[in-house]
Amino acid sequence: QKEVEQDPGPLSVPEGAIVSLNCTYSNSAFQYFMWYRQYSRKGPELLMYTYSSGNKEDGRFTAQVDKSSKYISLFIRDSQPSDSATYLCAMEAQKLVFGQGTRLTINP
Amino acid sequence: NAGVTQTPKFQVLKTGQSMTLQCAQDMNHNSMYWYRQDPGMGLRLIYYSASEGTTDKGEVPNGYNVSRLNKREFSLRLESAAPSQTSVYFCASSEVANRGSGQPQHFGDGTRLSIL
Repeated sequence: QKEVEQDPGPLSVPEGAIVSLNCTYSNSAFQYFMWYRQYSRKGPELLMYTYSSGNKEDGRFTAQVDKSSKYISLFIRDSQPSDSATYLCAMEAQKLVFGQGTRLTINP
Repeated sequence: NAGVTQTPKFQVLKTGQSMTLQCAQDMNHNSMYWYRQDPGMGLRLIYYSASEGTTDKGEVPNGYNVSRLNKREFSLRLESAAPSQTSVYFCASSEVANRGSGQPQHFGDGTRLSIL
């Protein structure tokens, strides 16, 4: 079983939709949770960063961490075609572990 | 503001050839990493350098060597390339090593390597 599981998609939604991206994990020692966005032929860039449980909001993006369920989510409101990318979750205890990434397409 | 710079961006090799991938960061970070990214496998850590003068194996080190040349530069060498090493290679850096510090990593734009 992988430490971090992420549905690879692909996920395709219309412009303006609310998008929910999710990861589950097995290591209860994870304390730091991140979401990276990766555009085609580019490197991953940090999008959201959360410590421990709770919610964090940044513009149209909200990151949620539920440590009791070992589940994290990224919500994108009013999705735009420019949000089309692969989204990777990542979490750290003694090392940084990445999910496989979910490929998201927002259709105009 | 360059961040993490990788060279070359693309390379095609024949089986058995050797090659060095270069990486440099200008953020004064202490720690640097090399990953490979393959479809369905996500990012897998090859080697990392927690600080200048140290290197450690990651998840998939076989067939690779690294050199931390100075604080800025971290190179990855394939001594005898194999088709299984066809991949996209990413270099990353962080202020300190990810050993419970929660440091985000900053990535370059990758080197696309094909081995025939």
